[in-house]
Amino acid sequence: SQELEQSPQSLIVQEGKNLTINCTSSKTLYGLYWYKQKYGEGLIFLMMLQKGGEEKSHEKITAKLDEKKQQSSLHITASQPSHAGIYLCGASSNFGNEKLTFGTGTRLTIIP
Amino acid sequence: EAGVAQSPRYKIIEKRQSVAFWCNPISGHATLYWYQQILGQGPKLLIQFQNNGVVDDSQLPKDRFSAERLKGVDSTLKIQPAKLEDSAVYLCASSFQGKNIQYFGAGTRLSVL
Repeated sequence: SQELEQSPQSLIVQEGKNLTINCTSSKTLYGLYWYKQKYGEGLIFLMMLQKGGEEKSHEKITAKLDEKKQQSSLHITASQPSHAGIYLCGASSNFGNEKLTFGTGTRLTIIP
Repeated sequence: EAGVAQSPRYKIIEKRQSVAFWCNPISGHATLYWYQQILGQGPKLLIQFQNNGVVDDSQLPKDRFSAERLKGVDSTLKIQPAKLEDSAVYLCASSFQGKNIQYFGAGTRLSVL
């Protein structure tokens, strides 16, 4: 079965600094999804990556997919308190398969 | 557009009791998912429905968990009897048929004492 490892497990960053979260898969990635979760709430969809080399941006968040390395990274530029939360990556195990396996998450704390 | 609705938000029960969770997906979404998220872990898929049919329930503990989506719209997940290790957040998600983006509800936090 597919496993996703996220690093780091937790991150404390000063407001305004940049940061990167990584997600590495044990198997070939057919689709990689990034979600954000605040404590006590559901998952909020951020971005979906499907092709090797693909890069997407939304506001100050950029995600990239390295298909050869079976890895994705999420980069936040000039972090803000609103970026705090748990970031989860999810992946499809087969092309066209909607079943997602999730990583254990990266807890991001932003300090003023 | 209304999101995925779940109720209740919180539930506290004693072990061996029964509990049920309800989910109403986004209108028009044919696929509905139930996930279990234990504290400190990522969500784990319990069951996936396509309309009112089960697509995948390989990780559903069928001796105590059951789920239904009778009319292909809203769904109920039941645990009977509950165990201490069932304490978790139960998340419902839905997606439009053929598109893989899953949209999640706020979840139900279950505490089994």
